[in-house]
Amino acid sequence: EADIYQTPRYLVIGTGKKITLECSQTMGHDKMYWYQQDPGMELHLIHYSYGVNSTEKGDLSSESTVSRIRTEHFPLTLESARPSHTSQYLCASSGGVVTRNTEAFFGQGTRLTVV
Amino acid sequence: GENVEQHPSTLSVQEGDSAVIKCTYSDSASNYFPWYKQELGKRPQLIIDIRSNVGEKKDQRIAVTLNKTAKHFSLHITETQPEDSAVYFCAASTGFQKLVFGTGTRLLVSP
Repeated sequence: EADIYQTPRYLVIGTGKKITLECSQTMGHDKMYWYQQDPGMELHLIHYSYGVNSTEKGDLSSESTVSRIRTEHFPLTLESARPSHTSQYLCASSGGVVTRNTEAFFGQGTRLTVV
Repeated sequence: GENVEQHPSTLSVQEGDSAVIKCTYSDSASNYFPWYKQELGKRPQLIIDIRSNVGEKKDQRIAVTLNKTAKHFSLHITETQPEDSAVYFCAASTGFQKLVFGTGTRLLVSP
């Protein structure tokens, strides 16, 4: 079934550790996004990609990096986790560059706690 | 780039009343306007969308209207029910640019 998958769902990690949040979609979408969201609050865009080898920073200043080597895969890496990174991270994908412009589909999210 | 403003930030209504959420956008090239509902602890999910070639779309108790001249679009929920309580996000995009979201509206429907 076509969907967007995020792993892990929950992660508790110590300050200073390097972590990678995984995101994969099987819908053939061109665009992929990473958002940071505190419960019930605004979606803050931290990174997005128009396609393979295309990544740009979003509106929220972030100490994370992303890569887009394959269309379906868009991992987010935090080189050194800090308590201020504690939040929920949502990955999303949508069509619209070479495919029909569509709504964004969201993954289930990764809830990150940095202690 | 595109900028989307959304109002109000919170909206409280009695069960059975109507609720209206409004969004404005800045890029006249935007041609796709989806609305999302996010229930507590869940991911945002599409509830209705509209493209720039139509002015209104309805799906049971929800409807969206689009005014391209004024660059605003609205979500209308009639006969609200407690299960409509959630955070609602509007968004706008052209085909080639990223989807840009509004800041969200927390809707509370009281029995």
